[in-house]
Amino acid sequence: NAGVTQTPKFQVLKTGQSMTLQCAQDMNHEYMSWYRQDPGMGLRLIHYSVGAGITDQGEVPNGYNVSRSTTEDFPLRLLSAAPSQTSVYFCATTLDRDYTEAFFGQGTRLTVV
Amino acid sequence: KQEVTQIPAALSVPEGENLVLNCSFTDSAIYNLQWFRQDPGKGLTSLLLIQSSQREQTSGRLNASLDKSSGRSTLYIAASQPGDSATYLCAVFNNAGNMLTFGGGTRLMVKP
Repeated sequence: NAGVTQTPKFQVLKTGQSMTLQCAQDMNHEYMSWYRQDPGMGLRLIHYSVGAGITDQGEVPNGYNVSRSTTEDFPLRLLSAAPSQTSVYFCATTLDRDYTEAFFGQGTRLTVV
Repeated sequence: KQEVTQIPAALSVPEGENLVLNCSFTDSAIYNLQWFRQDPGKGLTSLLLIQSSQREQTSGRLNASLDKSSGRSTLYIAASQPGDSATYLCAVFNNAGNMLTFGGGTRLMVKP
């Protein structure tokens, strides 16, 4: 089992460009979420999903969109990249509401110039 | 708003020492607490999960305790090894089970 897979691992964008960060899991977990990690700010929740077709905002959702059409995939879209979105992005999954051990992907390092 | 603090921010010890890493949180209404390890440039690896009804969990040389009422958790590492060098993060799950709040981490260096 691959667990939680994120692609790409590295990306450089120009200001104003759009892109999608991919997250796929083969653990059959219901819950999926996106975090960003910044020096001095720690990890912060961007968006999360408690199941296919259901998404909600986290702590820092502005500038990001998500959708969850399948249990396995939870892409994060940047519509118009800004330098403030330079960060390391992590996708995480948990089994369900009752068992919430979180598993993380290896991260996507994004630089917006 | 939940706040999670980890002390110390950095720690350097000789190999073989027993270590205690501290984590405190401001809101005791948590669902569980999880300790992670993060190596430079890598993702987070789950070490231990403590449910809110539990007092401690053990895995090999690691032991984590939880005192919900005082808002504290400790991660005890026995007989530290250079391979333990990494950043250790604690995180608490809110009662809705949909959000982890992370501490800033403790960067550990174990010298041979």
